[in-house]
Amino acid sequence: KQEVTQIPAALSVPEGENLVLNCSFTDSAIYNLQWFRQDPGKGLTSLLLIQSSQREQTSGRLNASLDKSSGRSTLYIAASQPGDSATYLCAAPRSSASKIIFGSGTRLSIRP
Amino acid sequence: EPEVTQTPSHQVTQMGQEVILRCVPISNHLYFYWYRQILGQKVEFLVSFYNNEISEKSEIFDDQFSVERPDGSNFTLKIRSTKLEDSAMYFCASSGQGLSYEQYFGPGTRLTVT
Repeated sequence: KQEVTQIPAALSVPEGENLVLNCSFTDSAIYNLQWFRQDPGKGLTSLLLIQSSQREQTSGRLNASLDKSSGRSTLYIAASQPGDSATYLCAAPRSSASKIIFGSGTRLSIRP
Repeated sequence: EPEVTQTPSHQVTQMGQEVILRCVPISNHLYFYWYRQILGQKVEFLVSFYNNEISEKSEIFDDQFSVERPDGSNFTLKIRSTKLEDSAMYFCASSGQGLSYEQYFGPGTRLTVT
C-alpha cells in the first residue's frame, strides 16, 4: 500500500531564501508525481508533474526532482516570496488512470 | 484553458439529508474521480469512474455514496443520508489519455453537515 510522507510538516523562512520541500513514497511503482499548492480553505493548484521516466521539471522559480529508486521527490523554491506562503502537497498514482495518493503536506510561511 | 468546474461552492445541509455535488469535467476527458479533504487532514480518494462504471472505490465509499454521469457532461456525487463526519471539501478531478494522464482538479465543494 502506497504511503506518501512529507517533511517538514511546517516551515517558516525569511523572504528571499531558497528552500527545499521533501516528499517520500514507499512504493516506487509510480506513474508520475505531482506537486500541488493549496491556499487555506481553497482548492488544489497543480504546480509541476514529473513523469516516472523523468528526473526533474522546472516552472519559473520552481524545480521538482524525482528519484524513483530511493522513493523521493523534492520541490525547490528559489528566491521565496510572501506570496509563496501556502501548503504544498505531493501526490502520486500507481498507474496511468488510478487514484492519486496524497501526502499530508508542508505548510510554508515566508516572512517579509 | 479548459478547467473542471464544481457546484455549489458551499453546501450546508442537515444530518440525514441527501446531497448531490455536481462536477463538469474537461470535455474530452474519460476518467473521473472524487476526492475529499476533511479539515486539517489529507486529501483522500473516494472513487474513480470510467466507461460509465466505477473502476475503483475506497473503503470510505460505502452504500451511502453513489456516482453518476447522467448526461455525458456532468459527473455527480450523491450522499444519501449525510452524517456529521461527511463534512469536508469534496474535489472532483478528470483526466484524459494523453501522455501524462494528469488529473485536473476542480475548485471543490465545501460540504457542511449540521
